[in-house]
Amino acid sequence: DAGITQSPRHKVTETGTPVTLRCHQTENHRYMYWYRQDPGHGLRLIHYSYGVKDTDKGEVSDGYSVSRSKTEDFLLTLESATSSQTSVYFCAIGSLQEVAEQFFGPGTRLTVL
Amino acid sequence: AQSVTQLDSQVPVFEEAPVELRCNYSSSVSVYLFWYVQYPNQGLQLLLKYLSGSTLVESINGFEAEFNKSQTSFHLRKPSVHISDTAEYFCAVSLTGANNLFFGTGTRLTVIP
Repeated sequence: DAGITQSPRHKVTETGTPVTLRCHQTENHRYMYWYRQDPGHGLRLIHYSYGVKDTDKGEVSDGYSVSRSKTEDFLLTLESATSSQTSVYFCAIGSLQEVAEQFFGPGTRLTVL
Repeated sequence: AQSVTQLDSQVPVFEEAPVELRCNYSSSVSVYLFWYVQYPNQGLQLLLKYLSGSTLVESINGFEAEFNKSQTSFHLRKPSVHISDTAEYFCAVSLTGANNLFFGTGTRLTVIP
């Protein structure tokens, strides 16, 4: 398995609270991604990073922010969680050498009550 | 914009029978194509990929997919399925030279004993 960990693996929170999910890699890959997975939608890209402090929006970025201060860590923050953000969140990493190929973490199941 | 269509959300099939999971994409430029598999409560794993060259690509566990440019398809096939193939399968596309993936909505394959 690629060295990707996500924390926490499960979280239950209440509407309006801030939430931060962490993705940590040991592969030194340049690219990191955050996706959400919902039934009937597959995986949709939230934000991605192409280097330290370099990030960009994906398809469903509203309500989310990200930060990458180190190569190995990519944080996803929900500033004020809503029930529509209940989902499974996956982090992925990718390198320039493996064209467009991404390796996925185990996921974080987030429930917003 | 790129999009991926997986017409079948669920495919039940008996053990040792053949299976085909369909994937069509829309893009006006060259693409890379991928199939990922997700076993229950796990992240996604790359099953196979088409980047260039031979239009028929194979995985180590007996799956194969054929890139058909004229039909804009990348269907996944296996001549004889096993119980252990029960999983959700995602087709994905990226533009050549880009690192972002666009996923289909997934097909849940259930192998019946």
